[in-house]
Amino acid sequence: AQKVTQAQTEISVVEKEDVTLDCVYETRDTTYYLFWYKQPPSGELVFLIRRNSFDEQNEISGRYSWNFQKSTSSFNFTITASQVVDSAVYFCALSESSSGGSYIPTFGRGTSLIVHP
Amino acid sequence: DTGVSQNPRHKITKRGQNVTFRCDPISEHNRLYWYRQTLGQGPEFLTYFQNEAQLEKSRLLSDRFSAERPKGSFSTLEIQRTEQGDSAMYLCASSSRDRGSGNTIYFGEGSWLTVV
Repeated sequence: AQKVTQAQTEISVVEKEDVTLDCVYETRDTTYYLFWYKQPPSGELVFLIRRNSFDEQNEISGRYSWNFQKSTSSFNFTITASQVVDSAVYFCALSESSSGGSYIPTFGRGTSLIVHP
Repeated sequence: DTGVSQNPRHKITKRGQNVTFRCDPISEHNRLYWYRQTLGQGPEFLTYFQNEAQLEKSRLLSDRFSAERPKGSFSTLEIQRTEQGDSAMYLCASSSRDRGSGNTIYFGEGSWLTVV
């Protein structure tokens, strides 16, 4: 079973629209971490944000905001007033304690965001 | 502060040949990870080192794959007798032992492998 589900394969918007990328996760651990990464066409995965399971505060960073809800096991990402430079594949990841005791991130399949001028 | 460095960035090889990728992590990071990413998919975990010890290996890491981190600094990933299904981007990442980092991993630019 998928531990991290990103149901939206591709989203296409026009510049200045707001867009929300969904992420649903599955874990039995009480301590875990959630992440979002951006992968532009150049290929390098860029870290955007980390949340731990004990911190449900939403976070805003410029045009980016994240909504963490344990009740629905979701960690959604909203871009306000999207720009062409936001075009990329976005990955949600979950880090939980593995059988070996390490926290190793598991990634979703990603959502490709295309922002048209 | 230099990031994670990987080389070569691109490698084209004939089926059956061996290839080796190198990863230099962020200097103060003691944890190192290898992932593989194919088109349209997210990164898939291959293996993990803490210092020089290889602590976790995925089932994806067949016996043709071997990874080392001999002195706890750089790491190599070798694929023997390559197959066309090995064509992918191989990603290296590193993270700090600092608990406050929450095990955030930072990726390199990746090494693209094409097996023809």
